[in-house]
Amino acid sequence: DTGVSQDPRHKITKRGQNVTFRCDPISEHNRLYWYRQTLGQGPEFLTYFQNEAQLEKSRLLSDRFSAERPKGSFSTLEIQRTEQGDSAMYLCASSLQGRGNTIYFGEGSWLTVV
Amino acid sequence: GEDVEQSLFLSVREGDSSVINCTYTDSSSTYLYWYKQEPGAGLQLLTYIFSNMDMKQDQRLTVLLNKKDKHLSLRIADTQTGDSAIYFCAESRYGGSQGNLIFGKGTKLSVKP
Repeated sequence: DTGVSQDPRHKITKRGQNVTFRCDPISEHNRLYWYRQTLGQGPEFLTYFQNEAQLEKSRLLSDRFSAERPKGSFSTLEIQRTEQGDSAMYLCASSLQGRGNTIYFGEGSWLTVV
Repeated sequence: GEDVEQSLFLSVREGDSSVINCTYTDSSSTYLYWYKQEPGAGLQLLTYIFSNMDMKQDQRLTVLLNKKDKHLSLRIADTQTGDSAIYFCAESRYGGSQGNLIFGKGTKLSVKP
């Protein structure tokens, strides 16, 4: 059973460095989402792709954040010039359009900016 | 997540039923979801309900939807210690055509033996 896979699971970085997270969705899923979750909060939507097209971006996604899904399969989320406020868990999710929009999440990538 | 509200804590004894409540604000929401999150882990989809339904049962889980009051509940029968986790309610807006799920802050369920 191959669910949504995220890498790395944990990342500690110094403030000002760039980090990149990768997400591999469930293989037949054409929609892919990124969410951010901070301690004590529910996940907050960042952006979503349908195939390779990025269809929606949250205002939370500042210009230091960029997400790509070049071939409509895996996706990367890059954070440039990291700040301490970027410390959070970054969750990837995927779904198949039309299947009740059931959205499956990965295990998340924890980012700690020191 | 301020548009979806949940109580933050619930404590029950093993074997009892747990009822986790949620209120949402957007009457156009078409799908409503319950997710479970264990410490340090991602979110596990437990169940979801389409807005034209008022009840859905799946083994130990029962979801009730009161669309008029915008109230959603999750009942877990015969609660076990393994059910201890944070439970998130989420709504899907825009007719479910996009991915913007709005989550509550989560209800931490503690199950005492």
